[in-house]
Amino acid sequence: DAGVIQSPRHEVTEMGQEVTLRCKPISGHNSLFWYRQTMMRGLELLIYFNNNVPIDDSGMPEDRFSAKMPNASFSTLKIQPSEPRDSAVYFCASTASGASYNEQFFGPGTRLTVL
Amino acid sequence: GNSVTQMEGPVTLSEEAFLTINCTYTATGYPSLFWYVQYPGEGLQLLLKATKADDKGSNKGFEATYRKETTSFHLEKGSVQVSDSAVYFCALHDPTQGGSEKLVFGKGTKLTVNP
Repeated sequence: DAGVIQSPRHEVTEMGQEVTLRCKPISGHNSLFWYRQTMMRGLELLIYFNNNVPIDDSGMPEDRFSAKMPNASFSTLKIQPSEPRDSAVYFCASTASGASYNEQFFGPGTRLTVL
Repeated sequence: GNSVTQMEGPVTLSEEAFLTINCTYTATGYPSLFWYVQYPGEGLQLLLKATKADDKGSNKGFEATYRKETTSFHLEKGSVQVSDSAVYFCALHDPTQGGSEKLVFGKGTKLTVNP
């Protein structure tokens, strides 16, 4: 099993540019989560999807951030325009939701640097 | 609301020392409790879990017991190794949160083990 796949692994961009992060969840998993990790704020949940539908986006910082899940095997997190304070590691995680809780499987993360 | 509080790090130990990382929680329901570990440059991975009071989760020599009376889930290991150097996150899942799959994470505790 390939696990959760994220791309790119590293992204360096300039302030004002659009950034798109990509995630492929584990096959068969029907819940997907986007997290952001920084030294200052720790690990923050940005948004999560269940069966491709956004369930909770209360963690999305502002309108510059948007996320989509067009099908069960792909999700994107877009930042437009990017700002230096968006620099962080972004993680995608997936789980097979059901009657009892299942563990979340995390991808390796995308390290974003906005200059 | 639900929350997780874990001891602030960093924690630095010598190899073969005893490890305790404290974790306490607040939950409106009857949560499941987890410890996740994040090795350098990687995403989080589940270390152990417990789903009801007095359950003991264990893995790789680590243990944690679900204590409802003290609302705690402290992580312990009798003899740490250099390879245990990582960031450890305590987390909970509250099944009464309207079917939400969200995990509530603590801020993480960085452990460094010196040879």
